[in-house]
Amino acid sequence: AQSVTQPDIHITVSEGASLELRCNYSYGATPYLFWYVQSPGQGLQLLLKYFSGDTLVQGIKGFEAEFKRSQSSFNLRKPSVHWSDAAEYFCAVETKSSGDKLTFGTGTRLAVRP
Amino acid sequence: KAGVTQTPRYLIKTRGQQVTLSCSPISGHRSVSWYQQTPGQGLQFLFEYFSETQRNKGNFPGRFSGRQFSNSRSEMNVSTLELGDSALYLCASTKGGTGELFFGEGSRLTVL
Repeated sequence: AQSVTQPDIHITVSEGASLELRCNYSYGATPYLFWYVQSPGQGLQLLLKYFSGDTLVQGIKGFEAEFKRSQSSFNLRKPSVHWSDAAEYFCAVETKSSGDKLTFGTGTRLAVRP
Repeated sequence: KAGVTQTPRYLIKTRGQQVTLSCSPISGHRSVSWYQQTPGQGLQFLFEYFSETQRNKGNFPGRFSGRQFSNSRSEMNVSTLELGDSALYLCASTKGGTGELFFGEGSRLTVL
């Protein structure tokens, strides 16, 4: 079965600093890969997705992610963090045979220092 | 266009009771999935319905059930509630096959 690991539970960065959130997956083939964000008391919003092709994908709110097959990773990056980016971020995978079922990582909670 | 709508947003039940949660997907979306979110277990897949048929099921006891109607609206039911069922229940819809899920704001269930 596929699994997703987000090794950082909490991360704190200063406003304006760069950000990288890590995500590793375990699956025999290349799955579909996603990053979602959840603000307190809200549902999840899709930031970006990778299906195939260019390994650097751009998303909303200035986020990007890079798929590295050799490392089974799909890390999320942002060059300059804004206070409004404080939220919880989830990496997720979907296999081609699983229908629309997502397997989520445990999430990384981002705090932003003024 | 309207997003995924979940009702009720908040509810409190006592152990042994049952609860029904409702989800209205985005217009045109035929696939509806349900997830349970708790601080301890994170986001866990409950089940997925596509065109009124359950296509996927997670590892939850039979107390958790769901269904989908011909208009793609979905309900999930939890019977004989336990304290551990306290969670945020999230519904998501998609056209099907795209992998891009749109989530509602969730129904927060508290079991006392």
